[in-house]
Amino acid sequence: KAGVTQTPRYLIKTRGQQVTLSCSPISGHRSVSWYQQTPGQGLQFLFEYFSETQRNKGNFPGRFSGRQFSNSRSEMNVSTLELGDSALYLCASSLDGQLNQPQHFGDGTRLSIL
Amino acid sequence: GENVEQHPSTLSVQEGDSAVIKCTYSDSASNYFPWYKQELGKGPQLIIDIRSNVGEKKDQRIAVTLNKTAKHFSLHITETQPEDSAVYFCAAFAPLTFGGGTRVLVKP
Repeated sequence: KAGVTQTPRYLIKTRGQQVTLSCSPISGHRSVSWYQQTPGQGLQFLFEYFSETQRNKGNFPGRFSGRQFSNSRSEMNVSTLELGDSALYLCASSLDGQLNQPQHFGDGTRLSIL
Repeated sequence: GENVEQHPSTLSVQEGDSAVIKCTYSDSASNYFPWYKQELGKGPQLIIDIRSNVGEKKDQRIAVTLNKTAKHFSLHITETQPEDSAVYFCAAFAPLTFGGGTRVLVKP
């Protein structure tokens, strides 16, 4: 069974640009969550999607948004990029995102802002 | 919201020794506690998890204990091997809130 796939693996952007990251969950998983990982702040929850609807949201500005498609694939968009957005962005999927459901992570997209 | 604290931040052990990582959480409603291992250039990999109705769970050389009254849980790795070297994260659900991570170095 294929794992969680994130594309691209690496991305370099400049301040003010926008970026879209993609995540394909494990087959059969309907919940997709996004996390930001930085050396200073650690792993922080961005948002969770289930059945094409955002179900939970972390404490990030509105520049961070996402969506989920009918096949459960998800995209994350960051607009007006800032230097502080440089991070590893991780996607995790689970069967339905409910309590006690293990989340499985992809290897992330490393975003560098120049 | 939930707050998870993890100690120590770094841990160096000799091969064959045991390693223990401890976490505390703040939200008494949390009832699922996974542990992840992250190697360089990879995403976190689930290694073991425990639910609130269980006090201890073991999987080969890895064990996790949970004390709901004290709101803390621990990861125990026995007979450590060089391939155990990685960063380990504890977490509490939901949503998944992570501890700050423990960098484990197993010296041959």
